[in-house]
Amino acid sequence: EIVMTQSPATLSVSPGERATLSCRASQSVSSNLAWYQQKPGQAPRLLIYDASTRATAIPARFSGSGSGTEFTLTISSLQSEDFAVYFCQQYNNWPLTFGGGTKVEIK
Amino acid sequence: QVQLVESGGGVVQPGRSLRLSCAASRFTFSRYGMHWVRQAPGKGLEWVAVIWYDGSNEYYADSVKGRFTISRDNSKNTLYLQMNSLRADDTAVYYCARDLGGFGELYEVADYWGQGTLVTVSS
Repeated sequence: EIVMTQSPATLSVSPGERATLSCRASQSVSSNLAWYQQKPGQAPRLLIYDASTRATAIPARFSGSGSGTEFTLTISSLQSEDFAVYFCQQYNNWPLTFGGGTKVEIK
Repeated sequence: QVQLVESGGGVVQPGRSLRLSCAASRFTFSRYGMHWVRQAPGKGLEWVAVIWYDGSNEYYADSVKGRFTISRDNSKNTLYLQMNSLRADDTAVYYCARDLGGFGELYEVADYWGQGTLVTVSS
């Protein structure tokens, strides 16, 4: 099973600042990597797939990069609605696996 | 807008069974693979199972293999998860989710999610 490790566990950022979240795979997943956002009490929402393709209706301030084992989700200028938990997921191998999440909180 | 509504959760004793349902609407259900993903209280996401658009194939997480069965009824636009031999560590919110692929292809990414149904396994 591919283990996905996200860092940091918590990221404190001021509104308007840039946030950079990391996701590392225990072995190469090529570009088969997705990012999700989850707010308290809500279902996850797909942000990015294929490592860098924004899902439908996702604002351009969200961008993804990386391939192989190292991936990054960048939020260019944090808005109030972006404070949430973010998960990465690999889909290169079965079983599909998620990272443990990064909580982005208000500084 | 795609709609997925889960039902069937509740409190169940260890070793017992439960069947979850997910009613799908506002998209052509029979063209999409479907997933179940769970989240234990205060924890991260765990993928549980996937079924192909036509029910021809399924994959399971090792943690549920042999105990859970995913199925679908395309005539009723409904996805199911039959859960047997339930354990305390199966306690979680269970989400159904649509696969991004569609048109017979499985992308293995979930693009729309239901609001989830809580399953609590406790004596």
